[in-house]
Amino acid sequence: EPEVTQTPSHQVTQMGQEVILRCVPISNHLYFYWYRQILGQKVEFLVSFYNNEISEKSEIFDDQFSVERPDGSNFTLKIRSTKLEDSAMYFCASSEGSYNSPLHFGNGTRLTVT
Amino acid sequence: AQSVTQLDSQVPVFEEAPVELRCNYSSSVSVYLFWYVQYPNQGLQLLLKYLSGSTLVKGINGFEAEFNKSQTSFHLRKPSVHISDTAEYFCAVSDGPSTDKLIFGTGTRLQVFP
Repeated sequence: EPEVTQTPSHQVTQMGQEVILRCVPISNHLYFYWYRQILGQKVEFLVSFYNNEISEKSEIFDDQFSVERPDGSNFTLKIRSTKLEDSAMYFCASSEGSYNSPLHFGNGTRLTVT
Repeated sequence: AQSVTQLDSQVPVFEEAPVELRCNYSSSVSVYLFWYVQYPNQGLQLLLKYLSGSTLVKGINGFEAEFNKSQTSFHLRKPSVHISDTAEYFCAVSDGPSTDKLIFGTGTRLQVFP
């Protein structure tokens, strides 16, 4: 069964550094998402992306965050200047976008900001 | 705004015993409900979903859930659990069946003991 893949599985970075989290969604999917889960807290929606543009974003997704689909297969989340509170598990997801199609999640990237 | 409450952060249970994981959502005109499971070091996997129709929904791995509109609940049940069911279970709600934004609960850790 096709799956969403995320790399790396664990990323450690220093505060203030830029970080890029990478995702390869399922190939025939059209909608792409990033969610995050701070340790011990809820899984939270960050952003959705369709047709090469952001379709919705949450309050968390401020100017420090950006997403990109640089080619036909990758979907990236960039954090320009990381803060300690950005430490979390980041999940990428994709869906076909049609009625009754669920989100398929990747295994996540654990980001640790020191 | 939609919200989801999972009252139990942890549920310990012995193998072959029945289990119920509770989920309550905030009332809305239309609501779509999901249960996701997260096995250790893996992503979120869809267990089952309620979009419309029968209030009893059957999912993978022998799980089922019942949509109760009057009690705004969507509790997850399994009549006999296995060690392999040990995982984190997340209830989620959305405003649409194939939605951009899922609102997750805080999760329930199911621990199955031999």
